[in-house]
Amino acid sequence: AAGVIQSPRHLIKEKRETATLKCYPIPRHDTVYWYQQGPGQDPQFLISFYEKMQSDKGSIPDRFSAQQFSDYHSELNMSSLELGDSALYFCASSLRGRETQYFGPGTRLLVL
Amino acid sequence: AQTVTQSQPEMSVQEAETVTLSCTYDTSESDYYLFWYKQPPSRQMILVIRQEAYKQQNATENRFSVNFQKAAKSFSLKISDSQLGDAAMYFCAYRVGGNEKLTFGTGTRLTIIP
Repeated sequence: AAGVIQSPRHLIKEKRETATLKCYPIPRHDTVYWYQQGPGQDPQFLISFYEKMQSDKGSIPDRFSAQQFSDYHSELNMSSLELGDSALYFCASSLRGRETQYFGPGTRLLVL
Repeated sequence: AQTVTQSQPEMSVQEAETVTLSCTYDTSESDYYLFWYKQPPSRQMILVIRQEAYKQQNATENRFSVNFQKAAKSFSLKISDSQLGDAAMYFCAYRVGGNEKLTFGTGTRLTIIP
């Protein structure tokens, strides 16, 4: 079965640079979620989208923004990167009204 | 705020034996869902099992089963006939019905001893 696709899988950036992470949900899933998992930490919710509209917001820094497009894929834009942004970024998808979220493989971001 | 607590940072079990991972949660909601996710060394987040709070029957998926005690706000995971491939970090997670986000516990690292 098709799964959530994330790209790139690995990304290395310098401080103060920008990064864009992409997420392609499972076909027919209309809701996308972003999570950040720091080293040795549990995943923390950042933001979610349904039908291109932001549906919930968590601990997402103001330097980050995200959107969902008409084909339901989503992009997380990160600017003025800091060392503390180094983490594994997960995208998950679900059908609206269904409680189970399915996770992608994650994007490992390293900020030097 | 809803919280999820996993009091066992690490557990180990002999191959083929049974192990139980603990999870408690705190909520004032009546409509919610509970999950166990597995994160192996690849760091992929894999759904193991889920439980709807309105269901009294404990969920089961092959060798994985839960003991859901709603009044005690407890949601433990039992792994039977442990296999080497079960070695991973296990996260308990909670989601309010209609809400979007998952709230995770801090995880339990499970080691399988051959």
